[in-house]
Amino acid sequence: AQTVTQSQPEMSVQEAETVTLSCTYDTSENNYYLFWYKQPPSRQMILVIRQEAYKQQNATENRFSVNFQKAAKSFSLKISDSQLGDTAMYFCAFGDGSARQLTFGSGTQLTVLP
Amino acid sequence: KAGVTQTPRYLIKTRGQQVTLSCSPISGHRSVSWYQQTPGQGLQFLFEYFSETQRNKGNFPGRFSGRQFSNSRSEMNVSTLELGDSALYLCASSLLTSGSPYNEQFFGPGTRLTVL
Repeated sequence: AQTVTQSQPEMSVQEAETVTLSCTYDTSENNYYLFWYKQPPSRQMILVIRQEAYKQQNATENRFSVNFQKAAKSFSLKISDSQLGDTAMYFCAFGDGSARQLTFGSGTQLTVLP
Repeated sequence: KAGVTQTPRYLIKTRGQQVTLSCSPISGHRSVSWYQQTPGQGLQFLFEYFSETQRNKGNFPGRFSGRQFSNSRSEMNVSTLELGDSALYLCASSLLTSGSPYNEQFFGPGTRLTVL
């Protein structure tokens, strides 16, 4: 069974600054996907970024990028130029195979301060 | 294209009752997954349906069941409700095309179930 650990329950960052959210996971699989989801107060889960384990290049999506360290089983999310709209709960998630069953971490509540 | 819809959005039940939640996937999506979100246990996978068949199941008691219809709409049912079943129930749909290594899951807004 896979486990996903997010050790930072809460974080805050000043608007326009950069923040990094941490995530570690444990698996015996070789092919898998890792995701960061955002859940704002509306509770709508939104995919922020995904990483395929077989790709060595770190994924980027505009202001969001990841640092994927496969050997260390680490998958952190960096948010650059933080905006007020980035305030949300962020979940790290693991998906094996075709990612039809996701295992989530406990979440990190990020607050962007004006 | 409309997103994933879930009905009802809010529900209040009492212990011992049963409840049925509904999920309509994005048009063309064939796979529907259900997740339970609670403050204590976080987000946990319940089950996944594809082509009207349950394909994967999480570690939940038999009181939790589901089904999928030919139009891909899905329902989940919880019988003999317990206080601990109070949660946000999220469903997610994905396209699930053959040969595709990855199928993004699109989540609905959830159904907030309160058991009194």
